[in-house]
Amino acid sequence: SSELIQDPAVSVALKQTVRITCQGDSLRMYYASWYQQKPGQAPVLVLYGNNNRPSGIPDRFSGSNSGDTSSLTITGAQAEDEADYYCHSRDSSGHFMRVFGGGTKLTVL
Amino acid sequence: QVQLQESGPGLVKPSVTLSLTCVVSGVPISRTNWWWSWVRQTPEKGLEWIGETFHDGRTNYNPSLKNRITISVDTSKNLFSLKVSDVTAADTAIYYCARLPPLAGTVEAFDLWGQGTTVIVSS
Repeated sequence: SSELIQDPAVSVALKQTVRITCQGDSLRMYYASWYQQKPGQAPVLVLYGNNNRPSGIPDRFSGSNSGDTSSLTITGAQAEDEADYYCHSRDSSGHFMRVFGGGTKLTVL
Repeated sequence: QVQLQESGPGLVKPSVTLSLTCVVSGVPISRTNWWWSWVRQTPEKGLEWIGETFHDGRTNYNPSLKNRITISVDTSKNLFSLKVSDVTAADTAIYYCARLPPLAGTVEAFDLWGQGTTVIVSS
């Protein structure tokens, strides 16, 4: 399947922990990568592979994988973490294709 | 520091061919082993991978768009381009160019993005 499913919206209280999930058959074969996008800006890679963070991404961002689901966890959410988050992976249906989830809007209360 | 910068016409009429370019600065494309991609974003469909090219001209395309798109690379100008033929309102989007580095076989990630260029298809 070429579909990655995300919850449209999630909220978290300031300094609390939130998990954003991404579900899809392809995640049984491929790792997800995660992007943060703030209004009017391009996406920024925050996590990839087996819990790898690019340089400059705070360690409050972490990832995990189980079966067909990948998760992005923010431990101690900050106001600046309010953004849209997208997952991405390779399609596993047989067609060469790179796919994105529909995105999750994170609100920090 | 590698940077990507998209450019495009902004507004195009339906049925024409849309042309966009992404200039790569900070590294010669010909010396890289990265895939250079195009991704677009709409409120309706979110992020959509369009396709990509390698420095030697190899390409991969989204099957749903394959009949209408052409991606090419010009190593002499250090840029890559996207053409979308027979555009409709559904092609109205923010178009991003992005870099995909070589990672382990089951890992991929767009680690660098341009700022994006908005394209509106309207008569």
